[in-house]
Amino acid sequence: QLQLQESAPGPVKPSETLSLTCSVSGGSISSNNYYWGWIRQPPGKGLECIGIIYYSGSTFYNPSLKPRVTMSVDTSKNQFSLELSSVTAADTAVYHCARLVSGTSRGDPYFDYWGQGSLVIVSS
Amino acid sequence: SYVLTQPPSVSVAPGQTARITCGGDNIGSDSVQWYQQKAGQAPVVVVYYDSERPSGIPERFSGSNSGNTATLTINGVEAGDEADYYCQVWDRSSDLAVFGGGSKLTVL
Repeated sequence: QLQLQESAPGPVKPSETLSLTCSVSGGSISSNNYYWGWIRQPPGKGLECIGIIYYSGSTFYNPSLKPRVTMSVDTSKNQFSLELSSVTAADTAVYHCARLVSGTSRGDPYFDYWGQGSLVIVSS
Repeated sequence: SYVLTQPPSVSVAPGQTARITCGGDNIGSDSVQWYQQKAGQAPVVVVYYDSERPSGIPERFSGSNSGNTATLTINGVEAGDEADYYCQVWDRSSDLAVFGGGSKLTVL
């Protein structure tokens, strides 16, 4: 059974950089048919896709966050990471990592396994 | 950018049928996924490719998609179905997932 676990970075101050790592177990991050993504959920609000990364390092970022987002992958550790710079209170959210099933002739990509999420609070 | 519209809340009595809609411009031409998120938990996909069910998801959950509306139908609603439900499509212009605002299902 695939499992994803986000790190717990603790509180982050405004203007600093938020850093999260997702550790994948029960499967390889280097699988051909999957991407890996970060999705966030502000308290009491809906889901927002931050970006996705392939094991080769190819990335796609949400245009609204692109100037501040960096995603990376470490295949040797079976992990991928998120950095979000210049954070404000609006970046306070639960950050989920998830596996994205690549699109096929039957349908478009979707997330099939999710981590429990890591609450990141931006506060001075 | 792609906008998906869901009703904020849907209420249904136990044993009845719940229908949760997801509106989007010509959404019928895209494949739609539905996620269930119970309080304090990670989302779980309950329907993918419009109407496919992952293993372990009860047959009570079904999906349809046509025109400008996709629908998640839950037959014989149980108390344990109470959760937030999100629809999702793939935005090809940005190569990212887009989620609806979510619908809170309340079992009366």
